[in-house]
Amino acid sequence: GQQLNQSPQSMFIQEGEDVSMNCTSSSIFNTWLWYKQEPGEGPVLLIALYKAGELTSNGRLTAQFGITRKDSFLNISASIPSDVGIYFCAGQSPNTGNQFYFGTGTSLTVIP
Amino acid sequence: DTGVSQDPRHKITKRGQNVTFRCDPISEHNRLYWYRQTLGQGPEFLTYFQNEAQLEKSRLLSDRFSAERPKGSFSTLEIQRTEQGDSAMYLCASSHSGRPDTQYFGPGTRLTVL
Repeated sequence: GQQLNQSPQSMFIQEGEDVSMNCTSSSIFNTWLWYKQEPGEGPVLLIALYKAGELTSNGRLTAQFGITRKDSFLNISASIPSDVGIYFCAGQSPNTGNQFYFGTGTSLTVIP
Repeated sequence: DTGVSQDPRHKITKRGQNVTFRCDPISEHNRLYWYRQTLGQGPEFLTYFQNEAQLEKSRLLSDRFSAERPKGSFSTLEIQRTEQGDSAMYLCASSHSGRPDTQYFGPGTRLTVL
């Protein structure tokens, strides 16, 4: 299957700092989704991206669909304690129908 | 609409028993997906339906796993003769085929096989 490399694996930051994480794939994707998951819960959709180069914001979150279609980035500005969780990227390849592939996640800890 | 729901939220069973999980998608969504998630990993795709048709099932983990969506609404995932390695979170997601594919997840069913 497709490989999605997500980095960093974990982050420990002070409240108020900005956060950046990224996801790269070995092949082209036509959709990128970013999710946040808290313990014992399902992933919650944060941002969806559908076109190369697209830059989309959702409050303090901003995500971009890479020009090469093989990567995506998520930034969180002015982090707050409730940003704590695991962030997953997910990509959909034009070659595998409607199947989404997920990264291994970035665990975010915000220190008050 | 309250989103995707799953039942039960937790299931503890003994090895060798059969288990069945239910997923109710968002009402206007015609696509329904099943995933498995183990600790420290992202969700792993298992199968998906468009309406009542199961369009992809090659990623089901073994022939002990089966899924149905008989009327194109709710779906069930069954695991027969459970093994300890089946312990995981089983997630359901839904989407609408008429829009860019954006999946919304349910809260998951946590399975523990003793």
